[in-house]
Amino acid sequence: TQLLEQSPQFLSIQEGENLTVYCNSSSVFSSLQWYRQEPGEGPVLLVTVVTGGEVKKLKRLTFQFGDARKDSSLHITAAQPGDTGLYLCAGAGGSQGNLIFGKGTKLSVKP
Amino acid sequence: KAGVTQTPRYLIKTRGQQVTLSCSPISGHRSVSWYQQTPGQGLQFLFEYFSETQRNKGNFPGRFSGRQFSNSRSEMNVSTLELGDSALYLCASSWGTSGRTIPYEQYFGPGTRLTVT
Repeated sequence: TQLLEQSPQFLSIQEGENLTVYCNSSSVFSSLQWYRQEPGEGPVLLVTVVTGGEVKKLKRLTFQFGDARKDSSLHITAAQPGDTGLYLCAGAGGSQGNLIFGKGTKLSVKP
Repeated sequence: KAGVTQTPRYLIKTRGQQVTLSCSPISGHRSVSWYQQTPGQGLQFLFEYFSETQRNKGNFPGRFSGRQFSNSRSEMNVSTLELGDSALYLCASSWGTSGRTIPYEQYFGPGTRLTVT
């Protein structure tokens, strides 16, 4: 069974701090996606990484796919209250051909 | 372009009852996937429909079923509700997943919050 483990589970920081969220698996994924979910809404796709070692930047967010395509990280620079939400990673290649989601990291950025 | 809509947004049911949830995908999207989200288990895949056919199914009991109509709208049904079925049910639409290792972007609806008492 393919599993994605995210850490930390909860993160509470002050505005302006930097943070890194991790997504790890013992399985290889053909690609990995990161979503952000805000209360009362569905997840929204932030990025898809495909190639081992790939790094993608989205404003203050930096996403990296591990060389072996088993892990990924999300780094946020100078976090803002608007970054508050549940960050989910999802890997392609489930046994049913579906996305496998991690349980998420709940981020709270206090002003 | 209108987003994914789900109805109803909130639902309270009694154990043993059945429930039907509805999802209208983004126009042009032919794939609809359903997920169950709970604090303990996170997002778990229920099933995916593409062109009215169920293509993939997750590890849920047969009480969970779904269907897709010719206009790509989808419904999921849960029979004989149990307390553990209380969750946020999310629907996501996309162009499709056939033959691709890189999944198309999934567009999620706001979900239906189901509470079973």
